[in-house]
Amino acid sequence: QFALTQPASVSGSPGQSITISCTGTSSDVGNYNPVSWYQQHPDKAPKLLIYEGSKRPSGVSNRFSGSKSGNTASLTISGLQAEDEGDYYCCANSNAGTWVFGGGTKLTVL
Amino acid sequence: EVQLLESGGDLVQPGGSLRLSCAASGFTFSSYAMSWVRQAPGKGLEWVSAISDSGATTWFVDSVKGRFTISRDNSENTMYLQMKSLRADDTATYYCARDLSYHGSSGHINRFDPWGQGTLVTVSS
Repeated sequence: QFALTQPASVSGSPGQSITISCTGTSSDVGNYNPVSWYQQHPDKAPKLLIYEGSKRPSGVSNRFSGSKSGNTASLTISGLQAEDEGDYYCCANSNAGTWVFGGGTKLTVL
Repeated sequence: EVQLLESGGDLVQPGGSLRLSCAASGFTFSSYAMSWVRQAPGKGLEWVSAISDSGATTWFVDSVKGRFTISRDNSENTMYLQMKSLRADDTATYYCARDLSYHGSSGHINRFDPWGQGTLVTVSS
């Protein structure tokens, strides 16, 4: 059963950088299966932040960046701001045409 | 402006049925695949189903196969999710999203953008 593992929570102070990890296996994330990242504020719809591992849609701040090392994809937020507080989800292909999300990470800005 | 508006969420008894709608505007609806993603109260996101731009191909998460049907009416710019044999664990906010996912040189690329505001389905007696 394909699964993506994220930390339940991370925190940081304004201006700092934080990284959220998304771990799969060598058969998926580690093998040509780029992840996307979504941001969700409380009681709001999710918003696409990163796709194909590191690409940002138009309008997304360059403070958000994506990378991968081995079986783990990462979302880095630099220059942390209060408005970044919320939940973050990674997503990747499970079987062709189907998708799985990570469990989500709650970001708290101290 | 690209907009997606879900409707049809309601309180339904276990074993019941419900049809959700997703009305699209601001883009050429018939040119894009679409997806449904749900979120149980206080829980994470779960992809549910997708449909190709023409409606000819559909995909489902295992937990809803045989119970949910996805369809679209490109003349009405609307996508539907027909849900039958509903269970308590189907309780969630259901979001529709424009599905820009594609198969690239680096594999299957996920890209749901944008999302609607969601509609709440509650399955309870």
